[in-house]
Amino acid sequence: ETGVTQTPRHLVMGMTNKKSLKCEQHLGHNAMYWYKQSAKKPLELMFVYSLEERVENNSVPSRFSPECPNSSHLFLHLHTLQPEDSALYLCASSQEARRGGEKLFFGSGTQLSVL
Amino acid sequence: DAKTTQPPSMDCAEGRAANLPCNHSTISGNEYVYWYRQIHSQGPQYIIHGLKNNETNEMASLIITEDRKSSTLILPHATLRDTAVYYCIVRAGVGNSGYSTLTFGKGTMLLVSP
Repeated sequence: ETGVTQTPRHLVMGMTNKKSLKCEQHLGHNAMYWYKQSAKKPLELMFVYSLEERVENNSVPSRFSPECPNSSHLFLHLHTLQPEDSALYLCASSQEARRGGEKLFFGSGTQLSVL
Repeated sequence: DAKTTQPPSMDCAEGRAANLPCNHSTISGNEYVYWYRQIHSQGPQYIIHGLKNNETNEMASLIITEDRKSSTLILPHATLRDTAVYYCIVRAGVGNSGYSTLTFGKGTMLLVSP
């Protein structure tokens, strides 16, 4: 148990569906992240929120829309996805780096399949 | 950030020490060496990090050469549950940003066998 919980664990959706991935951290951290891991590829950083403000957006298509309503919750809203978006989506959190170094705490991920 | 080079795969017998190497010959003086691992279908897990000195915690030991151009992660008594992909990452301190932008490469797939 890492203190970062992601739901759902698995998701199958059609290309016309709208769905949301949820992440919750119970660690008191103030930065949260979305990563994407496609089959046999390295993790790709998608978004970073620090103090509830989006600070990184690594050229992610607009069909992925993040939301961070507070420092404990992070969402990834999905709409009109493509089959190539099928991947493991991982959420992570970290405490202020000046105190703790770059220690990321990851959830178990949501395995997404787009049909 | 400095580039790292790791072998794509390694084998280790259960109960023996697993020594995972990482080359980072272009590392700068302010860059840390981080190790994470990822068990199949789970999120990565932080293991250890260091700057110059060797480090040890309950999971592993990190040995950094004096010139800092390479390092070794040591799992002293590998178990079957240590089978995972191990990532070596070199990254400068985050400064005042307060958040991390660690970049994960392909890592080393460690297979621990009975």
